[in-house]
Amino acid sequence: GIQVEQSPPDLILQEGANSTLRCNFSDSVNNLQWFHQNPWGQLINLFYIPSGTKQNGRLSATTVATERYSLLYISSSQTTDSGVYFCAAINNAGNMLTFGGGTRLMVKP
Amino acid sequence: SQTIHQWPATLVQPVGSPLSLECTVEGTSNPNLYWYRQAAGRGLQLLFYSVGIGQISSEVPQNLSASRPQDRQFILSSKKLLLSDSGFYLCASRDPFSGYGYTFGSGTRLTVV
Repeated sequence: GIQVEQSPPDLILQEGANSTLRCNFSDSVNNLQWFHQNPWGQLINLFYIPSGTKQNGRLSATTVATERYSLLYISSSQTTDSGVYFCAAINNAGNMLTFGGGTRLMVKP
Repeated sequence: SQTIHQWPATLVQPVGSPLSLECTVEGTSNPNLYWYRQAAGRGLQLLFYSVGIGQISSEVPQNLSASRPQDRQFILSSKKLLLSDSGFYLCASRDPFSGYGYTFGSGTRLTVV
C-alpha cells in the first residue's frame, strides 16, 4: 500500500511565527487530506487537496501530485493551533485512507 | 455535509468484558464506513471498512469485530476485551461518489483495566 511520511515530527513555535509542514507519499493519489487533531482527540478536516493549492484563513495547503508531496502552511500561529497535524492519502488503486505519523505542534504564548 | 455520531465518548471496561461501540452517519446515503484506532497519541490504524450493509473487511487480525446492520450504522464489538484493546477509536465516513474526503466522528476513548 501507499506510504505516507510527515516532517518534522515535532515543532515548537512562538505565537505569531509561520511554519511549513511537509507530507511525502509513495504513490499517485486520488485523495489527500490534512487534519488537525485537537487536545480532545477530535480530528478536524482542514483540507481535501489531492492537487493544487487551497487557502482557508491563516492556513493554506499545496499538493504537487507529480512530485508526491504536500505542504501545509500556518501563518501567524496562535496557541489554539497546537495539536497534531496529520496528512492522509489514498492511492489510485486503493480505497482506504492511510495516515502519516503526524506532526505535533506546540505554539507558545 | 456529513455528520458522524459516536458514543460513548469515554469508556472504562474490565479485561474480559464485552464491548459495543456505535457509530451513525447523517447527511449521506451508501457511505463507505471505517473504524480506526489510535494508540499512544499518534498513528491511526485502519481496523475495518465497509462499502455496504453486511459487507465488512478487516485490515488487521485482532480481538475485535465489526458489523453494519443498517446503511448508516457501523458497530465495533468484542466478546472479551484485552488490555491491548485500550486506545482511541474513531469512526469515519466517505461518500464514494461525491469526490470529497473523509469525515471523522469525535471518537471513543477506551481504557481496559
